[in-house]
Amino acid sequence: DGGITQSPKYLFRKEGQNVTLSCEQNLNHDAMYWYRQDPGQGLRLIYYSQIVNDFQKGDIAEGYSVSREKKESFPLTVTSAQKNPTAFYLCASKTGGNQPQHFGDGTRLSIL
Amino acid sequence: QKEVEQNSGPLSVPEGAIASLNCTYSDRGSQSFFWYRQYSGKSPELIMFIYSNGDKEDGRFTAQLNKASQYVSLLIRDSQPSDSATYLCAVKSGGSYIPTFGRGTSLIVHP
Repeated sequence: DGGITQSPKYLFRKEGQNVTLSCEQNLNHDAMYWYRQDPGQGLRLIYYSQIVNDFQKGDIAEGYSVSREKKESFPLTVTSAQKNPTAFYLCASKTGGNQPQHFGDGTRLSIL
Repeated sequence: QKEVEQNSGPLSVPEGAIASLNCTYSDRGSQSFFWYRQYSGKSPELIMFIYSNGDKEDGRFTAQLNKASQYVSLLIRDSQPSDSATYLCAVKSGGSYIPTFGRGTSLIVHP
């Protein structure tokens, strides 16, 4: 069954800790994205990647890092430099052209 | 700065009525228009999408584009309580990998 898998569903971060959110897709999509959603807010783009070994910063990249070593995987690290990490994190992917993005189920990150 | 605007709502309609959701966009070069449904606490789910060449109907859902006035609409016929959710509009220009999302409109369908 094709889809986008995000893990974990819930994650708690301690002060000064880095945490990594996983995103894996088996849709053979080239492009992958990370968004952050705060309550009552729209989606804000953190990072995106169009091809393996290449990625670009979105609107709110500070305090986050990513890698794209495999087509299927686009992990997001929330570093200790991100002072307000509590949010719902969404991973998306798409094929090329004008095709729509499809989203994973999301990871909810909170501070302990 | 590309902008996509949606009335946050809530839009409240009775069961069986037509719900009409609108989304305005600023970029005249926009070519792709996407509607997502997001239930509370869940991730966005694609409902339908259209391109600049025409409208589309899929079951109870119809997406319509007004290029001259730069807005796209989502009509939901025979609204059901299960349609109660936030509806996100996203717009993408040709040649861009990044769609711009609106903040969403909350729809409440009451029995």
